[in-house]
Amino acid sequence: QVQLQESGPGLMKPSGTLSLTCAVSGASISTSYWWSWVRQSPGKGLEWIGEISHSGTTSYNPSLKSRVIVSVDNSKNQFSLKLSSVTAADTAVYYCATAVEGPFQHWGQGTLVTVSS
Amino acid sequence: QPVLTQSSSASASLGSSVKLSCTLSSGHSTYIIAWHRQQPGKAPRYLMKLEGSGNYKKGSGVPDRFSGSSSGADRYLSISNLQIEDEADYYCETWDSNTRVFGGGTKLTVL
Repeated sequence: QVQLQESGPGLMKPSGTLSLTCAVSGASISTSYWWSWVRQSPGKGLEWIGEISHSGTTSYNPSLKSRVIVSVDNSKNQFSLKLSSVTAADTAVYYCATAVEGPFQHWGQGTLVTVSS
Repeated sequence: QPVLTQSSSASASLGSSVKLSCTLSSGHSTYIIAWHRQQPGKAPRYLMKLEGSGNYKKGSGVPDRFSGSSSGADRYLSISNLQIEDEADYYCETWDSNTRVFGGGTKLTVL
């Protein structure tokens, strides 16, 4: 069973770069899955941020593309999210998730990131 | 890119049945979708993948009370014998070659 665990700062200041990591267990990061990030602003719905394939191909939400980088660290079996120039609007619970044969079949527990001065 | 439309809320009585809908935008009526359940304060949980034909494949451990069906651009999630733990937000998801999209979610209240 694939398990995902997010880690990162709970609080950060505006204009900074958000960095999150998702540790993967139960599967190799080099498996033919898609490794993704999804966020949920307080009281709102789910928003897909971006993803990376086992081969390193990336796809990003057009609304966030200019500020997002998703990368993989094969040696640590984890993948990461960097979101630059954050504002209060980026305050959200950030989930890592894995797409298997199409849909997200595995989700992390989520980590709350608050952007505030 | 596809757009998914869900009703914002639904309600049904404990032990009864409910059918939630998710509608694909024009030009995307054949897309496969997935259903996810998000209980309060928890991460989403994958329920099933649902094809336009009505065929569906559930995730590991998903109870038999959950089933899927389709009609044209509409995709449905049916839940029978509603339990308290079914009170949650339900999201549909779809994808294509370089994007993923979620519906706005339906908040299900169990009366």
